[in-house]
Amino acid sequence: DAGVTQSPTHLIKTRGQHVTLRCSPISGHKSVSWYQQVLGQGPQFIFQYYEKEERGRGNFPDRFSARQFPNYSSELNVNALLLGDSALYLCASSLTGQNYGYTFGSGTRLTVV
Amino acid sequence: GNSVTQMEGPVTLSEEAFLTINCTYTATGYPSLFWYVQYPGEGLQLLLKATKADDKGSNKGFEATYRKETTSFHLEKGSVQVSDSAVYFCALSDVVGAGNNRKLIWGLGTSLAVNP
Repeated sequence: DAGVTQSPTHLIKTRGQHVTLRCSPISGHKSVSWYQQVLGQGPQFIFQYYEKEERGRGNFPDRFSARQFPNYSSELNVNALLLGDSALYLCASSLTGQNYGYTFGSGTRLTVV
Repeated sequence: GNSVTQMEGPVTLSEEAFLTINCTYTATGYPSLFWYVQYPGEGLQLLLKATKADDKGSNKGFEATYRKETTSFHLEKGSVQVSDSAVYFCALSDVVGAGNNRKLIWGLGTSLAVNP
């Protein structure tokens, strides 16, 4: 059974551009969460979606948005990229939003130049 | 707010040495506690967890006990191997939004290097 898959694995963008990151959860999992991990730090919570609805949002600016599709896959969008947005973006899936152990994808490494 | 504090790294050990990575937390209520491991170039893998006080999580020779009285969840392994070299993260579950949805709050991570 496939794990959590994220795409792309790496990408480089220029300041001011827009980026879309994609995540496919484990089959049967209905909750997807997004985390940002800056080099040398622990992950920071960005969003949680469950049953296609936003259930929680972290302390990130409105440039960050996300959605979940009927097949439970998810997209994270970031507008007007800043250098500080350079990070590893991690997607995690779980059966429900009441998580007791997420399964994480390998992440998307975003570099903003 | 809730938070997690981990001992700073890097930690460098010889193979077969004893490992302790300290983790303490601040939280209201009784969160679940986790240790995750991140190998170079990879995502995060759940190593072990504990959901209530005095629970002991264990996996692959690693152990951690949920200590409510000291608000700690220290990670231990009796004999480390070179393959254990990775970054270890302590985390706790926290309520997000309404209802019973949860997010993870993370420590900064502790890098472990095991030399042969």
